[in-house]
Amino acid sequence: DSGVTQTPKHLITATGQRVTLRCSPRSGDLSVYWYQQSLDQGLQFLIQYYNGEERAKGNILERFSAQQFPDLHSELNLSSLELGDSALYFCASSLSGTGGGSTTNEKLFFGSGTQLSVL
Amino acid sequence: AQKITQTQPGMFVQEKEAVTLDCTYDTSDQSYGLFWYKQPSSGEMIFLIYQGSYDEQNATEGRYSLNFQKARKSANLVISASQLGDSAMYFCAMRVSRDTGRRALTFGSGTRLQVQP
Repeated sequence: DSGVTQTPKHLITATGQRVTLRCSPRSGDLSVYWYQQSLDQGLQFLIQYYNGEERAKGNILERFSAQQFPDLHSELNLSSLELGDSALYFCASSLSGTGGGSTTNEKLFFGSGTQLSVL
Repeated sequence: AQKITQTQPGMFVQEKEAVTLDCTYDTSDQSYGLFWYKQPSSGEMIFLIYQGSYDEQNATEGRYSLNFQKARKSANLVISASQLGDSAMYFCAMRVSRDTGRRALTFGSGTRLQVQP
């Protein structure tokens, strides 16, 4: 168990709908990352939050948004869903609090993912 | 821009033998980290091993070792004494920025390893 909790595990919805994916990072981790894994695109970095603030953006669509709350949990909102949004969405967390190069805070710990199916 | 290349879509290995999964990377950054993750059929991503660009020794974690050749920009994963439970997808990944909090990983396309009895 990585200590990162993602809910729900599975989500089935229709095109045009909006869904929210939730992530609770490991205790003490300040950074949360969202990744999308699909068969054709592989693992794509979407967005990173660090201690409540957006820190880095990857290939995130404008229809997607995320936030990190004061308790450090994060939500990824996907709207106007299309068939191509069907994928496994991962949340990961890391300490990333002090910089430097210790092995411990370099690791990203992943949740078990949310499998989104858009029909 | 950084890039990770895994040229082996699939690999087979006999149980108890060693196997090497290839990974090459491209970055102009001098400070970076290289990771390997395992994704079994259940879907979760499991951290295996980490190598920092300034680490002089190759990283080892149990049966996993990382063959780091900086000049060739390669970071191959070696699994010794393969077990049936090692059958999974393996991803190589890289982080290039050392800014505090900016630690997104770039992943390769993965190698599917199948361990045969």
